[in-house]
Parts: sequence; C-alpha cells; structure tokens
Amino acid sequence: GQQLNQSPQSMFIQEGEDVSMNCTSSSIFNTWLWYKQDPGEGPVLLIALYKAGELTSNGRLTAQFGITRKDSFLNISASIPSDVGIYFCAGGYNNNDMRFGAGTRLTVKP
Amino acid sequence: DGGITQSPKYLFRKEGQNVTLSCEQNLNHDAMYWYRQDPGQGLRLIYYSQIVNDFQKGDIAEGYSVSREKKESFPLTVTSAQKNPTAFYLCASSIRAGESPLHFGNGTRLTVT
Repeated sequence: GQQLNQSPQSMFIQEGEDVSMNCTSSSIFNTWLWYKQDPGEGPVLLIALYKAGELTSNGRLTAQFGITRKDSFLNISASIPSDVGIYFCAGGYNNNDMRFGAGTRLTVKP
Repeated sequence: DGGITQSPKYLFRKEGQNVTLSCEQNLNHDAMYWYRQDPGQGLRLIYYSQIVNDFQKGDIAEGYSVSREKKESFPLTVTSAQKNPTAFYLCASSIRAGESPLHFGNGTRLTVT
C-alpha cells in the first residue's frame, strides 16, 4: 500500500530553535495523526486531527490538518533535549487503512 | 494503569521455527492491530481485528497468522513461511476501527538467524 511522504528525513537543531516537519499524500484523508518514537520503544500519540483546516496544540507542539486533506504539518517550538526522537505521521480514513510516513529523526544539540 | 503490553521485548529464533508474539491490552478497546517496522520505512499493517473472533489481512499478511479469542489478547505467529521475519513488531489498539487514534505497545524485536 501507499506510504506517506514525510520530510525532512532528519534534522539537527540547536536547543531553543523551532522545528517544522510535514507529510503529504496523493490521497485525501479524514484523519491525520502525529507520533513520537524513542529508540526501541513504541510510538506515543502526540496529536490527532479529524477536520480539514483543524489546528491543534499540545504544549509546545502544534499540528494542522491541511485544507486539501492531503497534507499535515507538525511544529515544535523552543526545542529542548528531550524532544530528541523520531516523529512520524499517519493518515487514513479509518484505522484499518492508516498509512505511515517513514519518520523524521530529530537531534537537539544543547 | 491501562495500556498495551507486548512480550517478550527481544526474541531470537532459528530459521524454520514458528514464533508467537504476545499482545495484551486492558483498555477495553474493540480493535487491535499488528504492524511491522523496518528501518527507513513507514509502519506496514500485517493483520487487524475489529472484534473478538474476527480478523482481517493487512498489506503484508503472508507468512503470519493471528487469533482473537479474547478481547484483551491478539497474538501474532510468525511462521517459517515468512521470508524476511527479522523486524520490530508493534501491536496497537483503538476504541473502535473508525475515528479513534491508534495506541501502540512497546514492541517486540524479533531476530531470526
């Protein structure tokens, strides 16, 4: 099945900087999810989006469901060392056909 | 605490042997899923189950089998027919199969030599 295009693949930033990553699809979705995964662990849900145009925040994290329903972005403001990890998106119509991005590996330098 | 428990964390098997990965949830979720994660790729769905005693193939079901005899449990068997079984396996659940987010367990890393 089709996987999502997630970019960038990796980011190296200084503590305190803002981060932005996005996912695009060739198909229209009605759900976008963003997860963070630490090495050797399971993904943890950060933000869930269910409406086109929806903008949702979770602390320093903000995600938006694109108006075209084919994309979503995640922003992290004022990054801290514990933000290190792999962030990935998931999109679909229902959980039986969710598609996943390959992930953005974030490194934060103190 | 409610959650999804996968065991064991690490599993080593010889080629040609079947192996079963455990997944238990106490979230009272109806739907459960198995995904495979390989480096540099997005998660791929192996099998899913929307309700007890029912399950459906995902995108990469060949060489795998599952059962759903209890709501809380969804074990995955990796059979000898799976050509490339070494991977990180993730179990997930959701309240229902529709608009409810997936919650994941901590994964099982299977190495077959």
